[in-house]
Amino acid sequence: AAGVIQSPRHLIKEKRETATLKCYPIPRHDTVYWYQQGPGQDPQFLISFYEKMQSDKGSIPDRFSAQQFSDYHSELNMSSLELGDSALYFCASSFRVAGPPILETQYFGPGTRLLVL
Amino acid sequence: QKEVEQDPGPLSVPEGAIVSLNCTYSNSAFQYFMWYRQYSRKGPELLMYTYSSGNKEDGRFTAQVDKSSKYISLFIRDSQPSDSATYLCAMSGNEKLTFGTGTRLTIIP
Repeated sequence: AAGVIQSPRHLIKEKRETATLKCYPIPRHDTVYWYQQGPGQDPQFLISFYEKMQSDKGSIPDRFSAQQFSDYHSELNMSSLELGDSALYFCASSFRVAGPPILETQYFGPGTRLLVL
Repeated sequence: QKEVEQDPGPLSVPEGAIVSLNCTYSNSAFQYFMWYRQYSRKGPELLMYTYSSGNKEDGRFTAQVDKSSKYISLFIRDSQPSDSATYLCAMSGNEKLTFGTGTRLTIIP
């Protein structure tokens, strides 16, 4: 079965540079989530999109922005990179089912490992 | 205090043993409870999910939720070396997931 695709898988940048991470959700999934996982830490929610609109916002720095496109893929844009941005960035997708109980099972991609030097 | 607390381990058990992984939470708004398995350098893989108190079984895995105590557990029976991974509990009220810190589990052959 098709899974969530993330690109690139690995990225090395220098401080103050910019980076763009891409996420292609599972076909027919309409919701995309971005999470950041630091070394030895749990994934932290950054931002989510449903039907191309921002749905929820977590601990995403102002230096980061994201959007979801008409084909439901999403991009996370990171500017003025800092050393502390080095982490695994996961994208997860789900299909939002209306009506109670609303349970979205989120399926995670393999992640993009970003290293800022 | 974190909304979700999980013993980070590490936890090492012999092959064939029963493993018990636990999380507690403080946010009463959490309605959905999930367990993810994460192998090194991989994305979290959904193992089980539930939204009601009680037990849910899937093969060798049993998820248990006690909403009154704000406590969830994952039991693994007949543990195998391939079960060695980090196990993350995750919860949500409606959208975003809030994760525990993960428990690193090693099954010793």
